[in-house]
Amino acid sequence: SQKIEQNSEALNIQEGKTATLTCNYTNYSPAYLQWYRQDPGRGPVFLLLIRENEKEKRKERLKVTFDTTLKQSLFHITASQPADSATYLCALDGWSSFGNEKLTFGTGTRLTIIP
Amino acid sequence: EPEVTQTPSHQVTQMGQEVILRCVPISNHLYFYWYRQILGQKVEFLVSFYNNEISEKSEIFDDQFSVERPDGSNFTLKIRSTKLEDSAMYFCASSGRGYEQYFGPGTRLTVT
Repeated sequence: SQKIEQNSEALNIQEGKTATLTCNYTNYSPAYLQWYRQDPGRGPVFLLLIRENEKEKRKERLKVTFDTTLKQSLFHITASQPADSATYLCALDGWSSFGNEKLTFGTGTRLTIIP
Repeated sequence: EPEVTQTPSHQVTQMGQEVILRCVPISNHLYFYWYRQILGQKVEFLVSFYNNEISEKSEIFDDQFSVERPDGSNFTLKIRSTKLEDSAMYFCASSGRGYEQYFGPGTRLTVT
């Protein structure tokens, strides 16, 4: 069956350093992969989407890589700030003929940036 | 900036009662979804809705669940006879022509 793993349940990083989060998947061939941020008691907020034919995507201090051979995505936050503290979710598509279909989420990594 | 809204923010109900959770998706979006998140667990897909019909549903979305788009703006999730295990945060989401989904703030459902 399909499985998505985010390797760290919790990650503590010193302010100013780069935080790197990992998402691995098995028994899956997603057309694209997404990263979301979730704050306690709130809904997920979309951050970045990367397609299967893209190796890297950047947005401001965020960078995502996608290796379909390793079945892995890495999510980087450079120059991390305490405001970046949140749970980060990896999500894979369930593409069908309808186009936009369900997202399957990983369990998330709770990131804490220490001042 | 347009956003997805959900009401109520918190609903407490007794086991066996019916509940309706309401959502107003972003106005020009075409695809609508419900997800749930049990406390401490991952976000799980329930159902997707497109062109006034269900396009996909998960194993969780059994006969006790139904969705409706009663007018041009609202999107509802009904649970006919709630069970204790239905207690969770329920998130509505919508998407347009892109694949990213925009989530509402959620409704916390507590079944006692």
